[in-house]
Amino acid sequence: GENVEQHPSTLSVQEGDSAVIKCTYSDSASNYFPWYKQELGKGPQLIIDIRSNVGEKKDQRIAVTLNKTAKHFSLHITETQPEDSAVYFCAASKGYGNKLVFGAGTILRVKS
Amino acid sequence: DTEVTQTPKHLVMGMTNKKSLKCEQHMGHRAMYWYKQKAKKPPELMFVYSYEKLSINESVPSRFSPECPNSSLLNLHLHALQPEDSALYLCASSQEGTYGNGYTFGSGTRLTVV
Repeated sequence: GENVEQHPSTLSVQEGDSAVIKCTYSDSASNYFPWYKQELGKGPQLIIDIRSNVGEKKDQRIAVTLNKTAKHFSLHITETQPEDSAVYFCAASKGYGNKLVFGAGTILRVKS
Repeated sequence: DTEVTQTPKHLVMGMTNKKSLKCEQHMGHRAMYWYKQKAKKPPELMFVYSYEKLSINESVPSRFSPECPNSSLLNLHLHALQPEDSALYLCASSQEGTYGNGYTFGSGTRLTVV
């Protein structure tokens, strides 16, 4: 089955700096790669996603890149703010009705 | 309406109790999911319903019994749980499509088994 590895497990950055979180997946049939932000006591919130027919996607300060050949995808957050502090999960899926497999999560701390 | 609503938000139950978790969405999504999340861990899939039929059961113990009464509702019936079943239970839904729309998660039910 699918296995998703996520690094780093914790990441501390200064406010205004960039943060990068990387994931690798094992199943080449996976075609949907979302990123979730989870704050304490809340459910995961989708922040950006990418599908296997696209190499990069950007939404304001957040971007995701996908390298299908290497089975890597990464989250880039620019101009980080204290409110970006949370746990971030990457995930992979074969799409509708299929299992969404999560990485282990990254605790992001943005210091002001 | 772009939300998945879960009730109750918190639940404390004894090991001999029977309780149910409820999940509701009105986005027209035809797949609904139950996930379990332990502290400091990622969510783990329990069940998937597609078009109100159970399509995936991740070898979940029978003390957890899912039910999908209609396309908007998903229940999880709990009976004779163990303390190690204490966790955050998350419901999610997704829309049919080439790759499927984003999986939308509810805020979860925090379950404590005493």
